Amino acid sequence: EPEVTQTPSHQVTQMGQEVILRCVPISNHLYFYWYRQILGQKVEFLVSFYNNEISEKSEIFDDQFSVERPDGSNFTLKIRSTKLEDSAMYFCASSGNWRDEQFFGPGTRLTVL
Amino acid sequence: AQSVSQHNHHVILSEAASLELGCNYSYGGTVNLFWYVQYPGQHLQLLLKYFSGDPLVKGIKGFEAEFIKSKFSFNLRKPSVQWSDTAEYFCAVIHKTRRDDKIIFGKGTRLHILP
Repeated sequence: EPEVTQTPSHQVTQMGQEVILRCVPISNHLYFYWYRQILGQKVEFLVSFYNNEISEKSEIFDDQFSVERPDGSNFTLKIRSTKLEDSAMYFCASSGNWRDEQFFGPGTRLTVL
Repeated sequence: AQSVSQHNHHVILSEAASLELGCNYSYGGTVNLFWYVQYPGQHLQLLLKYFSGDPLVKGIKGFEAEFIKSKFSFNLRKPSVQWSDTAEYFCAVIHKTRRDDKIIFGKGTRLHILP
């Protein structure tokens, strides 16, 4: 069964450093998403991406964040200068249709020291 | 702002007990509704979904949910839980009638089943 994969599973970084979280969505999906979950809190939407551009972003997704689909398979989230409060689990998701079920990856746990 | 409310943050049950987890959403338009489950150490998985038609939907592992439009609710049920149902459960909604594809999640309910 096709699945969304994410690497790395755990990333530890120093405050102010740049990190890139990687995702490989399901191959025939067209809509891609990033969500995050701070420990003990709910899953929050960050950004959606379709047709090589951002279709929607939340207030969390400020200028420190960017997304890219550098090739036909990867979908990346870059945090330019990490802050302590960026520590969270980051989930990538993809779907075939914008209203349909989204399939989630296993997540990357980001720890900012 | 649109929101999803899950009434129980932490539920502890014994095996074979019946389960009902409450979920209400605030959006008045047409929505697609989901329940996702996150087993310990695993990623979010779809348990069931409602798009249209019969408001009683059946999902995997014996779970079902009932959409009650007048109450803006989509409660999750299982008649007899098992120890393996220990997980966190998230209710979620997507607006169906606007170009708005983000999932809005509830805060989650952590379910702990005692063997």
